[in-house]
Amino acid sequence: DTVLTQSPALAVSPGERVSISCRASEGVNSYMHWYQQKPGQQPKLLIYKASNLASGVPARFSGSGSGTDFTLTIDPVEADDTATYFCQQSWNDPFTFGSGTKLEIK
Amino acid sequence: QVQLKESGPGLVQPSRTLSLTCTVSGFSLTSYGVSWVRQPPGKGLEWIAAIWSGGSTDYNSALKSRLSISRDTSKSQVLLKMNSLQTEDTAMYFCARWIRGRGFDYWGQGVMVTVSS
Repeated sequence: DTVLTQSPALAVSPGERVSISCRASEGVNSYMHWYQQKPGQQPKLLIYKASNLASGVPARFSGSGSGTDFTLTIDPVEADDTATYFCQQSWNDPFTFGSGTKLEIK
Repeated sequence: QVQLKESGPGLVQPSRTLSLTCTVSGFSLTSYGVSWVRQPPGKGLEWIAAIWSGGSTDYNSALKSRLSISRDTSKSQVLLKMNSLQTEDTAMYFCARWIRGRGFDYWGQGVMVTVSS
């Protein structure tokens, strides 16, 4: 299975820029998607196919990358962005998710 | 609007079979795929199974021997059955709509399943 590796946690101050990385154990083309999950809620799609903003998602969120290295960027960060962020690939079978990056806003 | 809602037993005894239902509205199961994704308490997300718009199915290979996914288009429902449950199957189970190349764009609120005697 394709393993997606994310750093476990980050802490930033409001107004700053933050980049969350996701590295795949094998190539996934551009078929990487990003989700935000707040405690007690279901995940919410932020970015699909590496760099496309999902409907209704603020332009503060952006995505980049292809192959094995991907990045979700939030600029500027707001207090409401406190959440865990997951990457997910759909190029290789089975679909897999990263273990999540917990973002703390100081 | 698009909605997905999971339903199920909540508590299941070890070795028994789990049956979950995802009832959808606002879209047709013949136009979109639906997957099940689970999340153990405090842990990450695991894709379990999918039924695609044409009716074909896919399973996580690690769980495949225990799973069955089907649908009833007349009721707008996707059904998941998992047998031989163990305590490690305790998790929140979500269903989510899938668009090829565009990710899981809508999710249900999830149903918590606890495996315990």
